[in-house]
Amino acid sequence: DAKTTQPTSMDCAEGRAANLPCNHSTISGNEYVYWYRQIHSQGPQYIIHGLKNNETNEMASLIITEDRKSSTLILPHATLRDTAVYYCIVRVLRQAGTALIFGKGTTLSVSS
Amino acid sequence: KAGVTQTPRYLIKTRGQQVTLSCSPISGHRSVSWYQQTPGQGLQFLFEYFSETQRNKGNFPGRFSGRQFSNSRSEMNVSTLELGDSALYLCASSLEAGRGGEKLFFGSGTQLSVL
Repeated sequence: DAKTTQPTSMDCAEGRAANLPCNHSTISGNEYVYWYRQIHSQGPQYIIHGLKNNETNEMASLIITEDRKSSTLILPHATLRDTAVYYCIVRVLRQAGTALIFGKGTTLSVSS
Repeated sequence: KAGVTQTPRYLIKTRGQQVTLSCSPISGHRSVSWYQQTPGQGLQFLFEYFSETQRNKGNFPGRFSGRQFSNSRSEMNVSTLELGDSALYLCASSLEAGRGGEKLFFGSGTQLSVL
């Protein structure tokens, strides 16, 4: 299964852009990259996902390199409420279905 | 629209007992998957269901089982509980069960403590 590598922790000042990197060098051509975040022991919250092209929604932007071996999640204006563990995930094709393969995530701390 | 609902929110059991956890997906969603989260192993995939059929299963012992009903609600069962089964069990639902492009939405989870 494709695995992801992320920095253990990152800091960001409130109001600044937070850029969270992720390596997924073993990703297959038809496997998607997903980003979720988790606050305390709540369920992971969907942020964004993509296959090849860069994606943007109301929460964030996802930049995927041309070779698809890495990606960056961008939170354009981080707030204190964005403090969370951010997971970069590859959704692998397995048996007749799919599965999200979580890594250890990046703890993002946003401070004022 | 209501989100993914998991019940109960907290559960305490003793070793050797069995437990059943419930998950109601978002209305209209037909695919349900389950994950286990522990401090040591992180988030790990358990099973995926679509239209009452298990599409794939993670690397867990046979004590972990699940099923999906015709209304898309799902249950998972853990028999002969062990201390190591203490974890947050999370359910996620998606509209369809395609090959990767759908959004998955998670519930708040069931926190299981085995004493």
